[in-house]
Amino acid sequence: GAVVSQHPSWVICKSGTSVKIECRSLDFQATTMFWYRQFPKQSLMLMATSNEGSKATYEQGVEKDKFLINHASLTLSTLTVTSAHPEDSSFYICSATPAHRGAEAFFGQGTRLTVV
Amino acid sequence: KQEVTQIPAALSVPEGENLVLNCSFTDSAIYNLQWFRQDPGKGLTSLLLIQSSQREQTSGRLNASLDKSSGRSTLYIAASQPGDSATYLCAVPPSGTYKYIFGTGTRLKVLA
Repeated sequence: GAVVSQHPSWVICKSGTSVKIECRSLDFQATTMFWYRQFPKQSLMLMATSNEGSKATYEQGVEKDKFLINHASLTLSTLTVTSAHPEDSSFYICSATPAHRGAEAFFGQGTRLTVV
Repeated sequence: KQEVTQIPAALSVPEGENLVLNCSFTDSAIYNLQWFRQDPGKGLTSLLLIQSSQREQTSGRLNASLDKSSGRSTLYIAASQPGDSATYLCAVPPSGTYKYIFGTGTRLKVLA
């Protein structure tokens, strides 16, 4: 099956610093990847769509200047949380869909971000 | 706008019981429906994927059905075990997009 790898699996950072999270499709190319966010005891909410070679599209209410997304290659998307604050502490997870698997999504392992 | 709801929100049962988890969605124009399992503090494990043209899928003790016209899916877990304890999420990608809309989740606890 298709594999999506996310790194790091957890990270602790100080308020005001930036954190980069990587999402890689290991055995397929993905022109589109998706970033989700999950607060404790809540479901996953879509943050943005990462488009290879073009700007990401953000869901309503998501600050694009705070959550920078770069999709520089067909196998890598990065999410950078800039000037992190404690309220950014959350579980971030990415997904990608191989072209030959219809609309079936494959998810990364997720990244737990704690901002102190 | 697609909305996905899961009932019940939480469920606690003794080991060995057969369970039914419910998922409903408001817009029937979907590519497929996926059921996931999430253990505390962990990522998602895909359990079953039902294409929009299918009625059900089975994997081991799990069976998922889809009634697209009524906007409903059920996940049936047979002979539940303590290891089944987790949060179960259903998710649908609306037709024309690969971005998933997740349900609210059902937190399942199976008691030994």
